[in-house]
Amino acid sequence: GAGVSQSPRYKVTKRGQDVALRCDPISGHVSLYWYRQALGQGPEFLTYFNYEAQQDKSGLPNDRFSAERPEGSISTLTIQRTEQRDSAMYRCASSKDQTQYFGPGTRLLVL
Amino acid sequence: GQNIDQPTEMTATEGAIVQINCTYQTSGFNGLFWYQQHAGEAPTFLSYNVLDGLEEKGRFSSFLSRSKGYSYLLLKELQMKDSASYLCAAPWNSGNTPLVFGKGTRLSVIA
Repeated sequence: GAGVSQSPRYKVTKRGQDVALRCDPISGHVSLYWYRQALGQGPEFLTYFNYEAQQDKSGLPNDRFSAERPEGSISTLTIQRTEQRDSAMYRCASSKDQTQYFGPGTRLLVL
Repeated sequence: GQNIDQPTEMTATEGAIVQINCTYQTSGFNGLFWYQQHAGEAPTFLSYNVLDGLEEKGRFSSFLSRSKGYSYLLLKELQMKDSASYLCAAPWNSGNTPLVFGKGTRLSVIA
């Protein structure tokens, strides 16, 4: 596609459920990044990949969060046993060089 | 580590010029990005400065002084559609690496 796409755009779930957020990067982009953005703040780093290799996951809040990019294209961010504090906008970005292009985000609400 | 500081809010009049400042402290300099983010939308890339000086791109210009750890975004001939948050961001390192974002400056353009 023309830009980064993410699905679902909105996700409402109950506390304790697992959720999977998907990111489809711009075709040919080597690098893929996951960020979380609170209202009125800039995006905050979670994890990133070059091709299929996860380069750094130091931004993941705890071990309930994981991410993969098995074929070096689409990536999935999984949150297990969701908690209310996980409610946020989750953004994905991709790049072929240093300039990152962002997707529309997934708004997650944990009840 | 990196620390990025920018004003929280600014207001300017339609047709005027506004300058949004950003100061940063980084362990190693690898350039500075500016992104625009309209409410409820994804951040979109505006500019990337690596060298000192002013880079002009239509109504928007971005300035960098590496020795002073200072950048600004200059918006000319303001239009109502320029009302948005403007995010200053610095990459961790050279190459494809995550960005550290400031909290963003919310610009309101009034008639």
